[in-house]
Amino acid sequence: KQEVTQIPAALSVPEGENLVLNCSFTDSAIYNLQWFRQDPGKGLTSLLLIQSSQREQTSGRLNASLDKSSGRSTLYIAASQPGDSATYLCAVADSSYKLIFGSGTRLLVRP
Amino acid sequence: DGGITQSPKYLFRKEGQNVTLSCEQNLNHDAMYWYRQDPGQGLRLIYYSQIVNDFQKGDIAEGYSVSREKKESFPLTVTSAQKNPTAFYLCASSIVPGQETQYFGPGTRLLVL
Repeated sequence: KQEVTQIPAALSVPEGENLVLNCSFTDSAIYNLQWFRQDPGKGLTSLLLIQSSQREQTSGRLNASLDKSSGRSTLYIAASQPGDSATYLCAVADSSYKLIFGSGTRLLVRP
Repeated sequence: DGGITQSPKYLFRKEGQNVTLSCEQNLNHDAMYWYRQDPGQGLRLIYYSQIVNDFQKGDIAEGYSVSREKKESFPLTVTSAQKNPTAFYLCASSIVPGQETQYFGPGTRLLVL
């Protein structure tokens, strides 16, 4: 059974710092991997989607990498801002296209 | 504006009562999903539908029911058989199952009186 783990569970950094969020999964037979952002009490916003054949995707200050063989993905946030404060969720799509989510990393960027 | 709407934002359920959560999308997406989120946890899949008049159970379907009579609508009923319904419920949709990202609604918070 696929399991998705995110480390750390919470992270607090000063504004301007570059940071890395980690996601690991137990079964490398994934269809794609997605990173989402969730603000308190709100729905999820898609940040990046990496197909299983890809190694990375970039959007603005965000860069996500995927290493299927080792079951790992990282989300790199450059020059963090207080507006980046949110919970970041990683999810993998299995062969039946269902998403399996990690429990998230709660990020606080201090001004 | 295209998007997904969920109503109500907050819902209160009495003991033994069935309640229905609404999810509507105007994105012309084929696939729709219902997830449950508990505090400090990720999302768990309750039900999903890849096409009108068809739906499948997710990982935690017990105590829930759905219908998909129209492409735009995928209501979720929380039945009295669901003994621990307090949670944040999220609806999502995608163009086709799994190949594209899922778009999420704003969520419904269900509380038990």
